[in-house]
Amino acid sequence: KAGVTQTPRYLIKTRGQQVTLSCSPISGHRSVSWYQQTPGQGLQFLFEYFSETQRNKGNFPGRFSGRQFSNSRSEMNVSTLELGDSALYLCASSSLSLNYGYTFGSGTRLTVV
Amino acid sequence: GENVEQHPSTLSVQEGDSAVIKCTYSDSASNYFPWYKQELGKRPQLIIDIRSNVGEKKDQRIAVTLNKTAKHFSLHITETQPEDSAVYFCVEGNTDKLIFGTGTRLQVFP
Repeated sequence: KAGVTQTPRYLIKTRGQQVTLSCSPISGHRSVSWYQQTPGQGLQFLFEYFSETQRNKGNFPGRFSGRQFSNSRSEMNVSTLELGDSALYLCASSSLSLNYGYTFGSGTRLTVV
Repeated sequence: GENVEQHPSTLSVQEGDSAVIKCTYSDSASNYFPWYKQELGKRPQLIIDIRSNVGEKKDQRIAVTLNKTAKHFSLHITETQPEDSAVYFCVEGNTDKLIFGTGTRLQVFP
């Protein structure tokens, strides 16, 4: 059974640009959630999608958005990148909900210069 | 951002000793408390979880306890081994939110 797959693994972008990250969940998992990991703020919850609908949202500005497709694959978009957006972005999938066992992908390391 | 209070931030033990990490949460409605282990450069991996209807759960050398009244939960690792060295995160969760602890860097010296 394939795990959670995130692409790309590494990304370098310039301030002001926008970026799209992709996450393919474990087959059969319908809940996909996104997290930002930084040395200063630790692991922060961004949002969760279930059956193509955003079901829960953390405390991030509107520049951070996402979507989920009918095959449960999810994308996260960050517009007008800032230096502080440099982080490891992790995606996790679960068969049911946030309070059910979820598996993380390896993450996308985004560097904004 | 929001974080669960987690202590200590770093913990060094001798191989074979026990390690205890403690967390305090804030929302009495939270009902799911997983623990994740993250080795350097790798993804967080679930090592054990506990739900609010259970006070204690054990899996080999790892145990978790939950005190709902005090809103405390703890991770206990016995007979530590060098491969237990990693950052450990506690998580407070329910159906609409997940809040991570600030992490504990555990080092086990042979």
